[in-house]
Amino acid sequence: QSALTQPRSVSGSPGQSVTISCTGTSSDVGGDNYVSWYQQHPGKAPKLMIYDVSKRPSGVPDRFSGSKSGNTASLTISGLQAEDEADYYCYSYAGSYTAVFGGGTKLTVL
Amino acid sequence: QVQLVESGGGVVQPGTSLRLSCAASGFSFSASTMHWVRQAPGKGLDWVAVISNDGIYTYYADSVQGRFTISRDNSKNTLYLQVNSLRPEDTAVFYCARVRPDSGWYDGFDIWGPGTMVTVSS
Repeated sequence: QSALTQPRSVSGSPGQSVTISCTGTSSDVGGDNYVSWYQQHPGKAPKLMIYDVSKRPSGVPDRFSGSKSGNTASLTISGLQAEDEADYYCYSYAGSYTAVFGGGTKLTVL
Repeated sequence: QVQLVESGGGVVQPGTSLRLSCAASGFSFSASTMHWVRQAPGKGLDWVAVISNDGIYTYYADSVQGRFTISRDNSKNTLYLQVNSLRPEDTAVFYCARVRPDSGWYDGFDIWGPGTMVTVSS
């Protein structure tokens, strides 16, 4: 159950797009579509942003999109806004009835 | 109002036990698969355990297997996590989370509680 690999930090200016990667193995990200993404602001609980690789829950702006290729999932945020500054975590089913999160990525809006 | 609220955290000595609770309201708790997730101070999210909606099936992260027990009381709309033999490295905010309705056990978590802090220190 090793954590999925995410970049420690990414940054972008308002209006730009950023992509956060999440790399696992064929046992987790590559082997299942239970991949989701969470946004967490300091001192707050995580919030579901993407589930089943690319689906958005009601209320999440369509600026947020998800995809997957092989063992790597990606979260893309377009039209960056100041309120998007937060930590982002990927998550995946990892087989054998376990699950795993990524190490987290700090997004800075310049 | 759909919500989860955890309780039961505190400051405890190594080797001791705690029972964390998660009170659910505003949705069909008995139909929901539930998880516990923890987050050490300044660190990332760490999956802990899952329980099926009927409480029959439970699964754990290797790091807590044998020390933590997840359970639920659907008559009380409450989820529990019994944490035994606590270690300093268990110091974390513990969150309960609901899996999206009508989906697999490991699908996205659409409702989270605010968390309860457990500090293990001598």
